Amino acid sequence: DAKTTQPTSMDCAEGRAANLPCNHSTISGNEYVYWYRQIHSQGPQYIIHGLKNNETNEMASLIITEDRKSSTLILPHATLRDTAVYYCIVGRNTGGFKTIFGAGTRLFVKA
Amino acid sequence: GAVVSQHPSWVICKSGTSVKIECRSLDFQATTMFWYRQFPKQSLMLMATSNEGSKATYEQGVEKDKFLINHASLTLSTLTVTSAHPEDSSFYICSAKGRPGLRPETQYFGPGTRLLVL
Repeated sequence: DAKTTQPTSMDCAEGRAANLPCNHSTISGNEYVYWYRQIHSQGPQYIIHGLKNNETNEMASLIITEDRKSSTLILPHATLRDTAVYYCIVGRNTGGFKTIFGAGTRLFVKA
Repeated sequence: GAVVSQHPSWVICKSGTSVKIECRSLDFQATTMFWYRQFPKQSLMLMATSNEGSKATYEQGVEKDKFLINHASLTLSTLTVTSAHPEDSSFYICSAKGRPGLRPETQYFGPGTRLLVL
């Protein structure tokens, strides 16, 4: 499975959009991009996933570049409760796919 | 969305005892469940993958005789930490995934179980 690179930490002002980048230059054609987040002392929470088209749901938007080598998770109006570690993970959408977590990006949303 | 529960949410036990943690998928059938461990200030580490009705597959370095995993039904997997020692104190998290092609297509995680071994 392809590996990902994310910044260690980021700050964002409350109410502003948080844009979290992820590089996955070795992604293969059948691998999806998944985003999860983990708020302190809780289990990870699924946010969104996509293959090549941009995706949007009630939590966030996922923008994937045309060459699929990078993506950006967008939280349109960050709140203090969005402070968490965000994980970008790449893998196949099959039953055997194991979600392997890297270090992620620690997002601090400040008032 | 899909809901995964864990029980208990926290447990304190004496060294040498065994502890069982349950993971349930509440509103979907999970053919595959995963167990993770997380130490303070670290990321999640995958321990094992468990498929319903078959033996679990353990990641390198994880002792299968110490961490017993059972996935007897499509909605329940259990992790038993046998002869627990203080170094086994950690945050244990399970996740569940349904059949390929059916919802959910991704893994959904439980809230975690905090284990403290004295």
